[in-house]
Amino acid sequence: SQKIEQNSEALNIQEGKTATLTCNYTNYSPAYLQWYRQDPGRGPVFLLLIRENEKEKRKERLKVTFDTTLKQSLFHITASQPADSATYLCALVTDSNYQLIWGAGTKLIIKP
Amino acid sequence: ETGVTQTPRHLVMGMTNKKSLKCEQHLGHNAMYWYKQSAKKPLELMFVYSLEERVENNSVPSRFSPECPNSSHLFLHLHTLQPEDSALYLCASSQGGQVQETQYFGPGTRLLVL
Repeated sequence: SQKIEQNSEALNIQEGKTATLTCNYTNYSPAYLQWYRQDPGRGPVFLLLIRENEKEKRKERLKVTFDTTLKQSLFHITASQPADSATYLCALVTDSNYQLIWGAGTKLIIKP
Repeated sequence: ETGVTQTPRHLVMGMTNKKSLKCEQHLGHNAMYWYKQSAKKPLELMFVYSLEERVENNSVPSRFSPECPNSSHLFLHLHTLQPEDSALYLCASSQGGQVQETQYFGPGTRLLVL
């Protein structure tokens, strides 16, 4: 079946360390992939977009990689802070019918 | 929030009630969306409106009825809902009319059906 997988268990990281979140997909041919942040009681907020022909994208302390061979995107937060604690969602856009497929999200907890 | 606003933020309703969710976007976008978000599940796209015309309806039960009177306002009318419809309902907008574009979300309405 076609799906997007993100770790369903919360990820606990010590403040100052790099947090790495994973988004795996199967049976899709991606055009690009988006990452969003969602805080409790709020809607998702767009963070970064990476295209299938791009290996890496950076924005301040954020870095996204995209490996179409492994069918995986990694989302990194360097020098993590407690304020980075949130749920992070990935969303893949297929290159055939431009369908937008969402992952269920991974909860990230940065401990002081 | 001045981007995308939603009211009410919380709603409790019985299965025989009729209620409406309201969404307003102040971004000058041409497309608006309704999503359902249940705990630990991916976002489910319910309806898409592009330039006030419904362009997508993902097999949503008829007890959910959308309305888009203009490009800035979107409603979701609810009637005879089921307990399994309890979820966070998110409204979003995007610049053009393509679902793959970057989405700008409202804060959501937390709905509880008793």
